Amino acid sequence: DVKVTQSSRYLVKRTGEKVFLECVQDMDHENMFWYRQDPGLGLRLIYFSYDVKMKEKGDIPEGYSVSREKKERFSLILESASTNQTSMYLCASSLRRTGNTEAFFGQGTRLTVV
Amino acid sequence: DQQVKQNSPSLSVQEGRISILNCDYTNSMFDYFLWYKKYPAEGPTFLISISSIKDKNEDGRFTVFLNKSAKHLSLHIVPSQPGDSAVYFCAAKGGSGSARQLTFGSGTQLTVLP
Repeated sequence: DVKVTQSSRYLVKRTGEKVFLECVQDMDHENMFWYRQDPGLGLRLIYFSYDVKMKEKGDIPEGYSVSREKKERFSLILESASTNQTSMYLCASSLRRTGNTEAFFGQGTRLTVV
Repeated sequence: DQQVKQNSPSLSVQEGRISILNCDYTNSMFDYFLWYKKYPAEGPTFLISISSIKDKNEDGRFTVFLNKSAKHLSLHIVPSQPGDSAVYFCAAKGGSGSARQLTFGSGTQLTVLP
């Protein structure tokens, strides 16, 4: 079974802190994604990566950055956390650069910024 | 501008009856569609998918129908069970993007009443 693991289930951070969310997948997937889920808005794509050291902006990249130094690990960084970044963050991976494959999700990180 | 829309935020169905969840899309480049199911405090799990070359795909109690001319797809669950109560997300991918990332709808909360 594909496993996507996010480092924390719940996080509470203060406004202005730098926050790191880590994600690891164990199936040698090329693609990795970071989404946030908010009520009424569904899942919105923040950043994605299709290869090591490659990254592309999604629909809502402002206030975030990412790092992919190894194929299995994709990190989301909140440079200076703000209260409007309180959300559920979901990491996902998928097998191929093109083609009809599903994405597999981690269990999510509920981040609260106070 | 939302490219994938789920206009019903919630749906209640009696156990044993059919649940029908609907999804509309606007981007004609989408060629692969998926449904995900999400329980609270967990990541979404893949349920069923359909390619644009088909109009129906069935997997056990779950059937997805695609109407390309109307840019509409639906998920049928028959018979509905209390364990099906969850948020259901419709997602789509397409075009020649580097990772063919998924675009999600806002979700429909399904409640199956015993």
